[in-house]
Amino acid sequence: DTGVSQNPRHKITKRGQNVTFRCDPISEHNRLYWYRQTLGQGPEFLTYFQNEAQLEKSRLLSDRFSAERPKGSFSTLEIQRTEQGDSAMYLCASRKLSGQGDTEAFFGQGTRLTVV
Amino acid sequence: RKEVEQDPGPFNVPEGATVAFNCTYSNSASQSFFWYRQDCRKEPKLLMSVYSSGNEDGRFTAQLNRASQYISLLIRDSKLSDSATYLCVVIKAAGNKLTFGGGTRVLVKP
Repeated sequence: DTGVSQNPRHKITKRGQNVTFRCDPISEHNRLYWYRQTLGQGPEFLTYFQNEAQLEKSRLLSDRFSAERPKGSFSTLEIQRTEQGDSAMYLCASRKLSGQGDTEAFFGQGTRLTVV
Repeated sequence: RKEVEQDPGPFNVPEGATVAFNCTYSNSASQSFFWYRQDCRKEPKLLMSVYSSGNEDGRFTAQLNRASQYISLLIRDSKLSDSATYLCVVIKAAGNKLTFGGGTRVLVKP
């Protein structure tokens, strides 16, 4: 399967614990995005990377959230000191930036986080 | 005001009927527009891009109205399998982040 892969698919954690999610994009895709989605809402932008460089981070992202893409391939999203409000689906997407306009972004199946 | 807004619905549509809905965006400099489809508890998947001249893909027709800053999606001859949430996506500049609307839920019933 050469699509976007996210792990784990589900994560249940106690409030106050740290969690880390991983995203493996499609191999030739240089742009990688993280989104958060709650029930009945559209995906909400968190951050994105061009290769290993983090180009933008949402103001909604508190300092408890950090994302990395150390070698321009896979990415991790860490949430420290989780709160119940962090419960959501975390989606990763990737696409290839070309000089021919905006290309399709492909999404992974997401990581569903439940904070209890 | 949200950057991208959609009527959440649900739009209850008889099988075989036509349904249409819009999405408004606030940034007049937005460059690229898409419709994504999302099934329950699944990831969003591209349905179609929206071109300035409008475009059609089978039973689906997308239009862009830059003057009024909205895009539309029309589904003809609705199928039960068209039941899903349709997400409007706007990109301000090439390669930048995708900004999603809240989605419009469509339920096609026999």
